[in-house]
Amino acid sequence: DTAVSQTPKYLVTQMGNDKSIKCEQNLGHDTMYWYKQDSKKFLKIMFSYNNKELIINETVPNRFSPKSPDKAHLNLHINSLELGDSAVYFCASSRGQGGYEQYFGPGTRLTVT
Amino acid sequence: KQEVTQIPAALSVPEGENLVLNCSFTDSAIYNLQWFRQDPGKGLTSLLLIQSSQREQTSGRLNASLDKSSGRSTLYIAASQPGDSATYLCAPSNNDMRFGAGTRLTVKP
Repeated sequence: DTAVSQTPKYLVTQMGNDKSIKCEQNLGHDTMYWYKQDSKKFLKIMFSYNNKELIINETVPNRFSPKSPDKAHLNLHINSLELGDSAVYFCASSRGQGGYEQYFGPGTRLTVT
Repeated sequence: KQEVTQIPAALSVPEGENLVLNCSFTDSAIYNLQWFRQDPGKGLTSLLLIQSSQREQTSGRLNASLDKSSGRSTLYIAASQPGDSATYLCAPSNNDMRFGAGTRLTVKP
């Protein structure tokens, strides 16, 4: 059984569109994260949710908004997509915040044309 | 802000060699440090997690050490195999996790 899953695996869309990426974890974890890996392969934290509360919000554009309908899901909504949003987006989860092992999803490769 | 540096950026070795990957970080106030491997086009696989109170962790042919006070960690891979070829990432964690740029390892048969 997949611990952290993401859909879709690939997403190709045009500039200006709005899109969502879904993430689900079946580990019973309390904290979920979104990371962005750019073309240079740097991984950076974007958001972190603990018990449905945003606890980290790095300096990402407000076009990006995380939505957590329940503890097992953290979806990423992106409005008005730009070319620079092209990257691989990873979801992760951990048992708690600050010092717990993180488990990553397989990633979603977003290409904006 | 935590800065993480991994050296070397790339490494190519013949099969069977023992090797060491280095990671340094600027903020020693961490809870733990995690080592991951990433295969091309794939997600991250957790290899080892060292708590801040620990000096090392071992899993099979992998051994990771942590010197928190000096801001350093190493990943030792014994008897390397072609299947070990991947990018290895270190990530110290306090309230959030910061990643190094990784070491791209190639093990040649």
